[in-house]
Amino acid sequence: GENVEQHPSTLSVQEGDSAVIKCTYSDSASNYFPWYKQELGKGPQLIIDIRSNVGEKKDQRIAVTLNKTAKHFSLHITETQPEDSAVYFCAGDYNQGGKLIFGQGTELSVKP
Amino acid sequence: GAGVSQTPSNKVTEKGKYVELRCDPISGHTALYWYRQSLGQGPEFLIYFQGTGAADDSGLPNDRFFAVRPEGSVSTLKIQRTERGDSAVYLCASSLTGRNTEAFFGQGTRLTVV
Repeated sequence: GENVEQHPSTLSVQEGDSAVIKCTYSDSASNYFPWYKQELGKGPQLIIDIRSNVGEKKDQRIAVTLNKTAKHFSLHITETQPEDSAVYFCAGDYNQGGKLIFGQGTELSVKP
Repeated sequence: GAGVSQTPSNKVTEKGKYVELRCDPISGHTALYWYRQSLGQGPEFLIYFQGTGAADDSGLPNDRFFAVRPEGSVSTLKIQRTERGDSAVYLCASSLTGRNTEAFFGQGTRLTVV
């Protein structure tokens, strides 16, 4: 079946600390795993993605890791800033097709 | 265009009415998606177009929902006999080729059925 589980649902950190959000997926054929940031009243914005042929990808303060065997992938944000506060969604492509299955979202709050 | 554009940004309609939601994808993107997002939830897939054809419409909840993309660019999501449960944010996204490529979202249309 098609399912992506995401946790935690809410996460509060102090400015400068790291934040980690974890996802698991059920479709073993999934090959593409994007992460989106959504601010209030806006559409989701792609922040980083990873494909199944790599285990880790980094872009400045953001990194994503993928464990295909365990069907886990995680988002890591270092040196968090108040502007990182938003809802973050993980997703996986289903059956190697075009559609994405999204997690339930994590509301990240970075306190100054 | 610079990004995915959706119109209108807000739509209030009465129960039982017909509505159309429009999506202008990024120029040159062959793949277009419609998602629906309820409050506090992740986007839920509705339909995926590759060019003019619907490659996957498995997410459309029932036959009141229909979408078209006649020229492979602009798409319209049509909802007949709207119900209060249809109230949500309808998101459109496009990607260059579809499979395993980055999908860029519009700002969404907030539909409220009263």
